[in-house]
Amino acid sequence: QITLKESGPTLVKPTQTLTLTCTFSGFSLSTSGVGVGWIRQPPGKALEWLALIYWNDDKRYSPSLKSRLTITKDTSKNQVVLTMTNMDPVDTATYYCAHLGSSITVFDYWGQGTLVTVSS
Amino acid sequence: EIVLTQSPGTLSLSPGERATLSCRASQSVSSSYLAWYQQKPGQAPRLLIYGASSRATGIPDRFSGSGSGTDFTLTISRLEPEDFAVYYCQQYGSSSFTFGPGTKVDIK
Repeated sequence: QITLKESGPTLVKPTQTLTLTCTFSGFSLSTSGVGVGWIRQPPGKALEWLALIYWNDDKRYSPSLKSRLTITKDTSKNQVVLTMTNMDPVDTATYYCAHLGSSITVFDYWGQGTLVTVSS
Repeated sequence: EIVLTQSPGTLSLSPGERATLSCRASQSVSSSYLAWYQQKPGQAPRLLIYGASSRATGIPDRFSGSGSGTDFTLTISRLEPEDFAVYYCQQYGSSSFTFGPGTKVDIK
């Protein structure tokens, strides 16, 4: 049974750096083809993909946010960490982490999401 | 970056009716990399369809996907009360994922 859970601050100030952790179980990020991604959703708006890390440490980023994002993994802890620099109120959103299916390249399991508010 | 457009923005239907949702891409998308998700208020998205037409595990057969190239369709053959939700298409291409803006299916 695959589960994922996001954790991190609920409130950050403008210009600060956000660090979110995705802790997962039921799969290993050392298994060929597997990945973990981050997706966010501002209140009342659509989903936006942010970043993805593969089992082999290959990383992909949203072109529009690439300069602000870093994704890393700790396979021994079953965790993936996303950092986003220079936070702005427009970054207020629910942030989800999700499992990428190894053969289907879609997000087949999602965490519950964590709401991050950017405000001074 | 491939841009996805979904139509209509809102679809107002009654239970038992057929729903047809459209997803159009700004350039050709491999069918292998086109997916549909359902999202209900306060919940994470749920994968419905992958590879344009394959149902994910546990998804009822009233949900079906079709299409190729730049035009894809999600069809719900007979709407059940639990199907009223927002539906997103998503593609993977050029090492990047994009989601469409969503179609809300609400009760008429």
